[in-house]
Amino acid sequence: AQTVTQSQPEMSVQEAETVTLSCTYDTSENNYYLFWYKQPPSRQMILVIRQEAYKQQNATENRFSVNFQKAAKSFSLKISDSQLGDTAMYFCAFMKPYNQGGKLIFGQGTELSVKP
Amino acid sequence: GAVVSQHPSWVICKSGTSVKIECRSLDFQATTMFWYRQFPKQSLMLMATSNEGSKATYEQGVEKDKFLINHASLTLSTLTVTSAHPEDSSFYICTPLSQGATEAFFGQGTRLTVV
Repeated sequence: AQTVTQSQPEMSVQEAETVTLSCTYDTSENNYYLFWYKQPPSRQMILVIRQEAYKQQNATENRFSVNFQKAAKSFSLKISDSQLGDTAMYFCAFMKPYNQGGKLIFGQGTELSVKP
Repeated sequence: GAVVSQHPSWVICKSGTSVKIECRSLDFQATTMFWYRQFPKQSLMLMATSNEGSKATYEQGVEKDKFLINHASLTLSTLTVTSAHPEDSSFYICTPLSQGATEAFFGQGTRLTVV
């Protein structure tokens, strides 16, 4: 079975600085998707960034980028120029392809605080 | 992105009563539906998976007679918490998936409080 591990329950960063959230996963599959989701106090899940396992190039979305190391099964999220609005819970998630069930498995979450 | 509507957003009910939560995919057909439960400061835990027109598959430890899932159409799924108890108080999130989907979309969640 797939597992996702986030080893940092809490992180804090000063506004405008850079922070990296860690995520490792375990799977025997070769084709899958990885995601980082943000969950603010409203608890609405917001997609931050996604990565297809077959793509070697790391995904980037504005201030958010990932370091995807497929062999090491590592998928870290870097937030540059942190903003107060980035304060939230962040979840790393693994998803099988739809034809294999499409199930989303989440890590334990990292609570990020951006301090002024 | 796809639009998912989940209602109610919050509900308070008395112990022993039943509560129904609806999840609608407004602009796509959800062939598969996942229901998650999230306790405060914890992760999302998968409760069950349902495919349209089929019985739901429940994760280990989830009582199928307590959490009734109906997925009778491609745009609507419901989760009914039967004979609710205070320990069922939690945040419930639906995640409908369309055929061939490469990412998931989420309902807004339902905060259930059983008193």
